[in-house]
Amino acid sequence: DAGVIQSPRHEVTEMGQEVTLRCKPISGHDYLFWYRQTMMRGLELLIYFNNNVPIDDSGMPEDRFSAKMPNASFSTLKIQPSEPRDSAVYFCASSFVNTEAFFGQGTRLTVV
Amino acid sequence: RKEVEQDPGPFNVPEGATVAFNCTYSNSASQSFFWYRQDCRKEPKLLMSVYSSGNEDGRFTAQLNRASQYISLLIRDSKLSDSATYLCVVNPNTGNQFYFGTGTSLTVIP
Repeated sequence: DAGVIQSPRHEVTEMGQEVTLRCKPISGHDYLFWYRQTMMRGLELLIYFNNNVPIDDSGMPEDRFSAKMPNASFSTLKIQPSEPRDSAVYFCASSFVNTEAFFGQGTRLTVV
Repeated sequence: RKEVEQDPGPFNVPEGATVAFNCTYSNSASQSFFWYRQDCRKEPKLLMSVYSSGNEDGRFTAQLNRASQYISLLIRDSKLSDSATYLCVVNPNTGNQFYFGTGTSLTVIP
């Protein structure tokens, strides 16, 4: 298996633009997680899905953030409109229940 | 209160030293615990799971203290390649979310 695949690896966008981050989890994993990492706040759980259903989105910072998982092999995290304070590394991870989470390589987002 | 708390360090130790990290968690019902390692500008990767009886993997030993709600990681005979950030991870079992500590930075000096 290729592991968790995220795209793009890097994204630079202007404030106010829509940003879409993509994730393909490891085949067979039934949990998918979106994290954001910054120097100030560390790794923050934004939202996670179980069998494509959002379970807990309490970490999503604002209504500008939305996440979907239309099928077992694909998820998106969208920010609209983007702001400079959204600049961070966004990680997607997947797992089976009660086992370790495997991370993608992350998307480094810069909003200017 | 944060789910998981760690001393951010940094820890700067000479090669060959023994270093220990601790991490506390807030949910006493938590069942699954892990240590992850993150290299600069890379994704976190599993270092080892933490079992109730404690477990060892080469130079690395992880322990769990449920009474005091903390987990620890001991690294013996530190190598230069151990330089990284070590993240404590707790699964509170109220769902299947994983909560990460902010990480402890380790630099092993020649």
